[in-house]
Amino acid sequence: AQTVTQSQPEMSVQEAETVTLSCTYDTSESDYYLFWYKQPPSRQMILVIRQEAYKQQNATENRFSVNFQKAAKSFSLKISDSQLGDAAMYFCAYRTSTSGTYKYIFGTGTRLKVLA
Amino acid sequence: GAVVSQHPSRVICKSGTSVKIECRSLDFQATTMFWYRQFPKQSLMLMATSNEGSKATYEQGVEKDKFLINHASLTLSTLTVTSAHPEDSSFYICSASPRTVYGYTFGSGTRLTVV
Repeated sequence: AQTVTQSQPEMSVQEAETVTLSCTYDTSESDYYLFWYKQPPSRQMILVIRQEAYKQQNATENRFSVNFQKAAKSFSLKISDSQLGDAAMYFCAYRTSTSGTYKYIFGTGTRLKVLA
Repeated sequence: GAVVSQHPSRVICKSGTSVKIECRSLDFQATTMFWYRQFPKQSLMLMATSNEGSKATYEQGVEKDKFLINHASLTLSTLTVTSAHPEDSSFYICSASPRTVYGYTFGSGTRLTVV
């Protein structure tokens, strides 16, 4: 069975600085998808970034980028030029690409605090 | 973009009564929707996969008779918490996607309080 681990329950970053959130996973599959979701105090889950396992190039979305290390089964999220609005819970998620089931497996989350 | 609407956002009910939560895909058809439960300061726990026109698939440990799921159309799935008890108080979230290769869009969630 697949597992997702986020070892940092809480992180802090100064406004305008860069922070990296860690995520590791375990799977025997060769093809899958990885996601980072943000959950602000409103509790609305917002997709931050997506990575297909078959792609070697790391995904980027504006100030958000990932460091995807497939062999190490690591999928970290880097937030550059942190803003106050980035403060939220961040969840790493794994999704199989096997036809028939596409459910997510979530990590336990990392609470990010942004200091003014 | 894909929009998922969830209602109600908050509900308070008396112990022993039933509560229905709706999840609608507004601009796409969803043959599959997912229902999650989230306890305070914890991650999302998948409860069940809702399949249009067929029975839902429940995760291990989830009581299917307590959490009734109906996915009667391509745009609507409902979760009914039957004979609710205070321990059912939680945050419930649904999700769906127009294409499974994309990330899922989540509803805004429902905070259920059973008194």
